[in-house]
Amino acid sequence: AQKVTQAQTEISVVEKEDVTLDCVYETRDTTYYLFWYKQPPSGELVFLIRRNSFDEQNEISGRYSWNFQKSTSSFNFTITASQVVDSAVYFCALSEGWKGGSEKLVFGKGTKLTVNP
Amino acid sequence: DGGITQSPKYLFRKEGQNVTLSCEQNLNHDAMYWYRQDPGQGLRLIYYSQIVNDFQKGDIAEGYSVSREKKESFPLTVTSAQKNPTAFYLCASSTRQSPQETQYFGPGTRLLVL
Repeated sequence: AQKVTQAQTEISVVEKEDVTLDCVYETRDTTYYLFWYKQPPSGELVFLIRRNSFDEQNEISGRYSWNFQKSTSSFNFTITASQVVDSAVYFCALSEGWKGGSEKLVFGKGTKLTVNP
Repeated sequence: DGGITQSPKYLFRKEGQNVTLSCEQNLNHDAMYWYRQDPGQGLRLIYYSQIVNDFQKGDIAEGYSVSREKKESFPLTVTSAQKNPTAFYLCASSTRQSPQETQYFGPGTRLLVL
């Protein structure tokens, strides 16, 4: 069965610090997809990134970067030079390749990031 | 602007009452989903629909019902059988019903029991 573990329940940093949010996943499939979402205090989940299991290239988008390592089943998210607006709950999610059945997206429990001025 | 709308933002339910949460999307997405979020927890799937007039139960469907009469709309009814309905409810949609497709979320409805 697929599973996502976000071991860090809460992280608190001071503005301009770099911070890494950990995500470890479990799956028996060779084809799978990983996602990160941001949930600001308003509640809406905002999509950040989608990565498939065949693409191990790291990705950078502005201050955000993602490190995908199949060898350790991890898909970590780093925010460089954090800002107060980055304060939110961040969710990592995993889906296995669709076989036409009841496969679904499985979420971790989230990491609450607080960036203090 | 394309997106997903949910209403109301806050909803209060009395004991024994059924309440309906609205979800509408204008993204022309085929698939729609309902999730429940409890404090400190991830999202759990209640129901999903891949096409009009068709829907499937998720992991925690007991005490909930849905309908999909229009592509744009996927309302969720929380029935009196749901004994612990207080939670944050999120609706999502994707281009098609496949877990590998990116799901886009609405702003959510917070349900409280009086």
